[in-house]
Order: sequence, then C-alpha cells, then structure tokens
Amino acid sequence: DAGVIQSPRHEVTEMGQEVTLRCKPISGHDYLFWYRQTMMRGLELLIYFNNNVPIDDSGMPEDRFSAKMPNASFSTLKIQPSEPRDSAVYFCASSLTGFGNSPLHFGNGTRLTVT
Amino acid sequence: AQTVTQSQPEMSVQEAETVTLSCTYDTSESDYYLFWYKQPPSRQMILVIRQEAYKQQNATENRFSVNFQKAAKSFSLKISDSQLGDAAMYFCACRRTNFGNEKLTFGTGTRLTIIP
Repeated sequence: DAGVIQSPRHEVTEMGQEVTLRCKPISGHDYLFWYRQTMMRGLELLIYFNNNVPIDDSGMPEDRFSAKMPNASFSTLKIQPSEPRDSAVYFCASSLTGFGNSPLHFGNGTRLTVT
Repeated sequence: AQTVTQSQPEMSVQEAETVTLSCTYDTSESDYYLFWYKQPPSRQMILVIRQEAYKQQNATENRFSVNFQKAAKSFSLKISDSQLGDAAMYFCACRRTNFGNEKLTFGTGTRLTIIP
C-alpha cells in the first residue's frame, strides 16, 4: 500500500491567496483526519470524517478554513484567504476504523508558508 | 475532554544506552488506547507502539517498551540500546473508542537526541 498521500509537500503563498491542500487516504480506511502542527500549539486536530461525512470540525480555526471529502479516496483542506499565522505543517491521516486500537496512519505533511 | 502531558521537552542519551520518556494523560473513559509516535527530521509520523488500557501487560516492540500505570495515568516509553536512528520527536497520544470521539489527542512532544 502506498500509504496516505498528501500534496503538495511544500506550499509558499502570499497573504490573501487561496490555498488548497490535498489528501488521498489509504484504501479501505473509513476515517480521515486533518491535523495542523506548529511550534506553539503542537499537533491540533482540525476536522475528521467518517465515511466521507464530517464528524467533528470544532478544531477548524475560523471560517477561512474549509474541508471536503467528496469520495472515499480524496479530501481537500482549503484556506481562503490565507494569513501568515496559517503557516504550519498540515497532516492528513487515515484509520481503518474509529475503534481505539486502530492506529492513525499519517501522510508526510504539507509545509505551508504564508508571506 | 482528554489531555496528554509530556513534561520533558528534550532528552538526550548516549548511543547504546537506555532512555525513558515520560507521559501522563487524563481521561474520564474506562476504555481507551495509548500510542507513541516518532517524528524524525523527515517530518513523517511513525507509529512506535500502542497499549490497550484494559490490558495490564505492558506492550513491547523490539527495543521499545512501555510502562503503563493505569491508576497513575502514566504511560512512559523505554528505548533500549539507543541507536542514532532513534533521534526524533516522540509524541504520546490517547484515543477513546466511543462514536463521535475517535480523534487522537497528542502531547507536546519530547525531542530525543542520541549522543554518539
């Protein structure tokens, strides 16, 4: 299995621009998670999906952030408009089930820099 | 809400020696799972070991083992025979099992340096 695939690996954009991050989960996994990692706040859950349906989006910072999962093999995280404080590493992860012993498998992350 | 605390921002160990990374957590659930993830400079998050809360036996994966103290809500990671490739950030995490709470909550991490 190819694992969780994220693109792009790096993204540099100017403040005010729209940014779209992409994720392909492991085939057959029912759960997909978006995390953000910063030095100040560590790893924060932004949103997660079960069978393509958003379950908990309470971690999404504000209306500038949106996430979709149109099918079982693809998800996007969009920031519009982007701001310098959005600079972080964004991880996508998937798990086979929601049961506690089903580990999350992470992608390699997207490092976003907003200037 | 559940919280995970790692009180050691940085640790270092001599190559081939043993090191223990600390983690405490707080949850109101009786059934949950605990994990240690490793994040090397490549940024990838790699699962190291997991522990089921209802199992008293400590989990072991080769050179990695845990000391799980449920009453104390403590979940430390022991790395034996440390190798240069063990240098990384290590994150402790907790996951509940009830629907609508399947997220993984992470600690702030411990940076482990291996001294040759």
